Amino acid sequence: DSGVTQTPKHLITATGQRVTLRCSPRSGDLSVYWYQQSLDQGLQFLIQYYNGEERAKGNILERFSAQQFPDLHSELNLSSLELGDSALYFCASSVDGGDSSYNSPLHFGNGTRLTVT
Amino acid sequence: ELKVEQNPLFLSMQEGKNYTIYCNYSTTSDRLYWYRQDPGKSLESLFVLLSNGAVKQEGRLMASLDTKARLSTLHITAAVHDLSATYFCAVDKETSGSRLTFGEGTQLTVNP
Repeated sequence: DSGVTQTPKHLITATGQRVTLRCSPRSGDLSVYWYQQSLDQGLQFLIQYYNGEERAKGNILERFSAQQFPDLHSELNLSSLELGDSALYFCASSVDGGDSSYNSPLHFGNGTRLTVT
Repeated sequence: ELKVEQNPLFLSMQEGKNYTIYCNYSTTSDRLYWYRQDPGKSLESLFVLLSNGAVKQEGRLMASLDTKARLSTLHITAAVHDLSATYFCAVDKETSGSRLTFGEGTQLTVNP
């Protein structure tokens, strides 16, 4: 058990809808990362938050947004869903990530499997 | 753009045999990570390699890093069935803070 909690485990929704994925990082970790894993794109970095602030952006679509709350949990919002958004969405956390000297591994949650029909 | 390539992508081997998975990356980085993923499961951190020449071993797995060649290897010794999983290498793109860029993954199947 990595200590990173993601809810829900599974989500089935229709195209055009909006969903929210939730992540609680490991105790003491300040950084939260979101990744998307799909068969055709592999593991893609979406976005990172550190202590409530956006730190880095990857291949995140404009229809997607995220935030990190004062208690450090994070939510990933996906809107105007398309079939191609079906994927496994992972949240990961690490204790660092505030500067370029980080070297601790990311600890991944069990993921949320999103199916868009 | 940072690219991380693994080779092979699929590997089927017999128990007791040795094999090596290769991970090449396209830009300077001093930090490389290996992860394991079981089907439908999360990613488990295996190794963190932080400098040129770093070598780490855990059980039947040994990872090494050559930053000059931009190459990391994951060597499997005397494979057992429990090692069947997908193995990912990931590189930390230091300058942009985008954290880990993952390779495509190597799907390892160890047959009795």
